[in-house]
Amino acid sequence: NAGVMQNPRHLVRRRGQEARLRCSPMKGHSHVYWYRQLPEEGLKFMVYLQKENIIDESGMPKERFSAEFPKEGPSILRIQQVVRGDSAAYFCASSPPVRNEQFFGPGTRLTVL
Amino acid sequence: GDSVTQMEGPVTLSEEAFLTINCTYTATGYPSLFWYVQYPGEGLQLLLKATKADDKGSNKGFEATYRKETTSFHLEKGSVQVSDSAVYFCALSASGTGNQFYFGTGTSLTVIP
Repeated sequence: NAGVMQNPRHLVRRRGQEARLRCSPMKGHSHVYWYRQLPEEGLKFMVYLQKENIIDESGMPKERFSAEFPKEGPSILRIQQVVRGDSAAYFCASSPPVRNEQFFGPGTRLTVL
Repeated sequence: GDSVTQMEGPVTLSEEAFLTINCTYTATGYPSLFWYVQYPGEGLQLLLKATKADDKGSNKGFEATYRKETTSFHLEKGSVQVSDSAVYFCALSASGTGNQFYFGTGTSLTVIP
């Protein structure tokens, strides 16, 4: 059973471009979470999704950030018009419906030039 | 709201020293408690967990006991190794399934030979 997969592992964007981060949860997992880790800081919750539904987006910035988890395919975290402050590691985690445990992917490290 | 307060780092120990990383929590209800470890350049891995008061989680020589009376979940290891050098995160999850996790800020541990 493959673990949580994220791609790309490293992403470089110039200010104003769009960043698109993908997360494929573990097989059988229907819950996906996105976290952001700024340099020298802990993990900050961004959004919690189930298939085709956003359950909790209380940690998402109000502008430029969006997330989806379609019926088919990976979950996508999209950042429009990136700024330097968006440079961070973005982690995805998944969990099965009836277990209170999250499994993390290796992360995408976004660098905004 | 729910939160986790974790001992500030960084922590530097000599090989075979005793390790304690403090973690206290604030939560309504009866949360599950976790320790995750992050090795350089990687995602978070579950180290151990406890789901109810007085439970002791253990793995790879690490232990932590869920203390409801002191709202604590301190991580301990009797004899650290160089390979234990990593960042350690305490986390809680509210009761119920698929709920948001709250992470501490992380404690960086370096073990020197």
